[in-house]
Amino acid sequence: EVQLVESGGGLVQSGGSLRLSCAASGFSFRSYSMHWVRQAPGKGLEWVSYISSGSDTIYYADSVKGRFTISRDNAKNSLYLQMNSLRADDTAVYYCARDLRVAQGFDYWGQGTLVTVSS
Amino acid sequence: DIQMTQSPSSLSASVGDRVTITCRASRNINSYLNWYQQNAGRAPKLLISEASSLQSGVPSRFSGSGSGTDFTLTISSLQPEDFATYYCQESYSSPPGFTFGPGTKVDI
Repeated sequence: EVQLVESGGGLVQSGGSLRLSCAASGFSFRSYSMHWVRQAPGKGLEWVSYISSGSDTIYYADSVKGRFTISRDNAKNSLYLQMNSLRADDTAVYYCARDLRVAQGFDYWGQGTLVTVSS
Repeated sequence: DIQMTQSPSSLSASVGDRVTITCRASRNINSYLNWYQQNAGRAPKLLISEASSLQSGVPSRFSGSGSGTDFTLTISSLQPEDFATYYCQESYSSPPGFTFGPGTKVDI
């Protein structure tokens, strides 16, 4: 069974940093590209970042570019999101999601981890 | 950047109703359009990829159509578990933006 489990969320002050982790199991993690997607309270979904299976291709949303860094450790079946210079509008539930195949959507999602940035 | 809109933003329906949700892209995205369902407090679930390809395990009452800029998600006979928020997402733009629509809430 495919499982994605996020951790690392919490309360942080504006300007602070946080590192999210996503532990993957039940599939060949090294074979899949991965994403981070966030959802502010009561709002819609916002794609945050993408990393290819071998980490050679990375993309960010303009809203987080220069502040967030995505990475992965295929030996540990883990995905990460380092978030720096956090702002109040970064407050959201952060989901990791598996890329089905190029342009075919995100087929598995974790349960999400809440990041709250206090101003 | 590609902008995605959905209509309506919310709708009320009854069990057994046929429901249609529309998604529009600001420019041509061919068939690179995905649909997700999100129940309250849960993670999104991929229903349909590439405009019309039903994901494994998704009931056949769900269907998708369209290409270019206009797309629809249809639920042929609404079931109690279908009351949720539905999002469209483009996967065409390069560099990718994977932009989601604002969502359509389907409630009783």
